[in-house]
Amino acid sequence: EIVLTQSPDTLSLSPGERATLSCRASQSVGSYLAWYQQKVGQAPRLLIYDASNRATGIPARFSGSGSGTDFTLTISSLEPEDLAVYFCQQASNWPWTFGQGTKVEIK
Amino acid sequence: EVHLVESGGDLVQPGGPLRLSCAASGFTFSHYAMHWVRQAPGKGLEHVSAISGNGISTSYATSVKGRFTISRDNSKNTLYLQMGSLRAEDMAVYYCARLTVNSLDYWGQGTLVTVSS
Repeated sequence: EIVLTQSPDTLSLSPGERATLSCRASQSVGSYLAWYQQKVGQAPRLLIYDASNRATGIPARFSGSGSGTDFTLTISSLEPEDLAVYFCQQASNWPWTFGQGTKVEIK
Repeated sequence: EVHLVESGGDLVQPGGPLRLSCAASGFTFSHYAMHWVRQAPGKGLEHVSAISGNGISTSYATSVKGRFTISRDNSKNTLYLQMGSLRAEDMAVYYCARLTVNSLDYWGQGTLVTVSS
């Protein structure tokens, strides 16, 4: 089973700042990596698929990069509504696995 | 508009069975593989099971293999998860989700399964 490790566990930033979230895989997943946003009490929402493609309706401030074992989700300018937990997920091998999540706090 | 609505979550005793349903609308259900993902209280996400659009191909997480069965009725636009021999560690919110390009683009609101005596 592929293990995804996200860092940091918590990120506390002010509105307008840049957020950089990391996801590292225990073995190569190619570009088969997705990012999700989960707000309190809600289901996850797809942000990025195949490492760098924004899902439908996702604002341009969200971007993804990376391949192989190291991936990054960047929020270019934080908005108050970006308060959430962000998960990465690999689709290279079954079972698909998720990272443990990074919580983004807004100062 | 795509909608996924789970139901069937309940309080069940350890060792007991439970069946979850996921009603789909707003898209051609049979054209999409579907997944179940669960989230224990305050925890992360865990993939449980997946099924192809025609229902022929299925996959399971090791933790549920042999105890859970995924199925679908394309005539009713409904996905199912039959759960058996439930354990305390199966307690979670269960989400159904639609597969798109190597990811899950639409999710239901989730249904809570509580396992306790």
